[in-house]
Amino acid sequence: QVQLVESGGGLVQPGRSLKLSCAASGFTFDTHAMHWVRQAPGKGLEWVAVISFDGSDQYYSDSVKGRFTISRDNSKNTLYLQMTSLSGDDMAVYYCASISPRHMSGYDKWGQGTRVTVSS
Amino acid sequence: AIQLTQSPSSVSASVGDRVTITCRASQGFGRSLAWYQQKPGKSPKLLIYDASTLESGVPSRFSGSGSGTDFTLTISSLQPEDFATYYCQQFNDFFFSFGPGTKVDIK
Repeated sequence: QVQLVESGGGLVQPGRSLKLSCAASGFTFDTHAMHWVRQAPGKGLEWVAVISFDGSDQYYSDSVKGRFTISRDNSKNTLYLQMTSLSGDDMAVYYCASISPRHMSGYDKWGQGTRVTVSS
Repeated sequence: AIQLTQSPSSVSASVGDRVTITCRASQGFGRSLAWYQQKPGKSPKLLIYDASTLESGVPSRFSGSGSGTDFTLTISSLQPEDFATYYCQQFNDFFFSFGPGTKVDIK
């Protein structure tokens, strides 16, 4: 079945870096654009970044632009998010998600999330 | 970037009630809008895509409508499992913004 499994979250000090991974299975990963979405504790959903199916295009929210890098390895069916200069504002559960190629909108695939805690 | 607002921010309702949630965009676009349901500690679940298309497996009591700047999610007869937070999200520009959410709780 379709699965997205995030990993790499944890406790990190302010100013440090962390790299998240999202392993995909059960669908043709290399035909799907992939997104990262985050949710701070007790807050709503915030879109973070997107990468095209072949990795040639990336877009970021203003809150992470210049600090986060989204990438993918289609040979490993894996999506990544490299996060640098982390602050308390980045503390959240991070989800990977994707849209069906048949839709204009709507993430029909979500991971379970990985929690990032930023604290000294 | 398109900004989304949702109203109400919260609603208290009873089982069997009809609940309507509105999502308003700061500028008009077509129908590239989705609705999600999220329960505490869980990943969001897609309910409606392309403004009005019901995702496979989602009960027919959920429906979506609208285009341009005003979109609506309706739950025709609220069930106990529907108490959750609901979010809209636009896919018109490369900011993919979410609305702030509407919490539906038990009256």
